[in-house]
Amino acid sequence: NAGVTQTPKFRILKIGQSMTLQCTQDMNHNYMYWYRQDPGMGLKLIYYSVGAGITDKGEVPNGYNVSRSTTEDFPLRLELAAPSQTSVYFCASSYGSGGEKTQYFGPGTRLLVL
Amino acid sequence: QKEVEQNSGPLSVPEGAIASLNCTYSDRGSQSFFWYRQYSGKSPELIMSIYSNGDKEDGRFTAQLNKASQYVSLLIRDSQPSDSATYLCAVNYGYSSASKIIFGSGTRLSIRP
Repeated sequence: NAGVTQTPKFRILKIGQSMTLQCTQDMNHNYMYWYRQDPGMGLKLIYYSVGAGITDKGEVPNGYNVSRSTTEDFPLRLELAAPSQTSVYFCASSYGSGGEKTQYFGPGTRLLVL
Repeated sequence: QKEVEQNSGPLSVPEGAIASLNCTYSDRGSQSFFWYRQYSGKSPELIMSIYSNGDKEDGRFTAQLNKASQYVSLLIRDSQPSDSATYLCAVNYGYSSASKIIFGSGTRLSIRP
């Protein structure tokens, strides 16, 4: 199993540009998440999904959109990129409901908005 | 506002000693607790999970949970230089499928030879 994969690894965007961060998992996990991590900080939840066709906002959803058309894929869309969106983005997945949700993380996408 | 608090460190521990990392959380409805290790420039990886009060041991790692006092800790015995990393505490609030995991900002641990 490849686990959780993310593309691209690194990207530079100009202010106002848009892009999609890709995330794929091959573990048949029903839950998927997008986090951002600013330097020296913890992870902030952007969006999450409990299954195909179902998404919900996390702590910091503004400026982002997601979709979940399949169990495997959970792309994150940035519209009108701003310098405040410079961060490292991690996708994660987990199996199970309720209290037990061990998350498995992808390698991350480093985004720089100039 | 649900919060997870950690001392940012750095926590410096001599090689071979016990490293003790602490985390407090604000919501008594929390159900499960996780410790992740994150090396610089890498993604978080799960070290321990704990769901019940008391201690849970896995090799050199012991997680301790005290729901009454709302804290969870991680002990690392016989600390090694490879343990130098940032340790993230994560708390899952609630039972339902819509429950969310909140991360602390992490404690940076440095093991000195």
